[in-house]
Amino acid sequence: GAGVSQSPRYKVAKRGQDVALRCDPISGHVSLFWYQQALGQGPEFLTYFQNEAQLDKSGLPSDRFFAERPEGSVSTLKIQRTERGDSAVYLCASSEVSGGKTDTQYFGPGTRLTVL
Amino acid sequence: QQPVQSPQAVILREGEDAVINCSSSKALYSVHWYRQKHGEAPVFLMILLKGGEQKGHEKISASFNEKKQQSSLYLTASQLSYSGTYFCGTEPNRDDKIIFGKGTRLHILP
Repeated sequence: GAGVSQSPRYKVAKRGQDVALRCDPISGHVSLFWYQQALGQGPEFLTYFQNEAQLDKSGLPSDRFFAERPEGSVSTLKIQRTERGDSAVYLCASSEVSGGKTDTQYFGPGTRLTVL
Repeated sequence: QQPVQSPQAVILREGEDAVINCSSSKALYSVHWYRQKHGEAPVFLMILLKGGEQKGHEKISASFNEKKQQSSLYLTASQLSYSGTYFCGTEPNRDDKIIFGKGTRLHILP
């Protein structure tokens, strides 16, 4: 079946604008993760959902970052009042089992956000 | 605590072997290995759980030494398709968030 998809693939925003990044996980996957990947670095955890419940948001860098998954499938990561330091690739991953984070995570291609 | 990967980068000729190491200063429950090609999604390779187990997938295998808090990824008879950046992700306890290393860039020459 289809893998994890993300949209848009590329987003350019002016500093101060709000952006919304979408993630469509693999159908039936219970767990969903958001990561931020800076250039030349590994993915850095932002937040984790199990179905519609956001169980861990400890990685969100500030209250400008907000994520939701209202129906337990599609998720949106919203960044308000973007800053140049928010420029990065935002990766979404999903996993099948509800056993927490110790399961195979399948990543989407990411959204490359550039804040000018 | 971010795991440390070594080497940072390696260049090989097709057919040569490579070892990528991942070390943590904390006790680990699991180690996850991914490969990412430029502009693409990280692709899952394998998970190792504490217990010193070794896993293999064709010519790619890995070991996990729980006592040393280390994992190594072994690439045997490397192929051009193995090129990319390899990330290890560590999990101190079950259900902790995964913390990824900075990656090891592998380039295979024909």
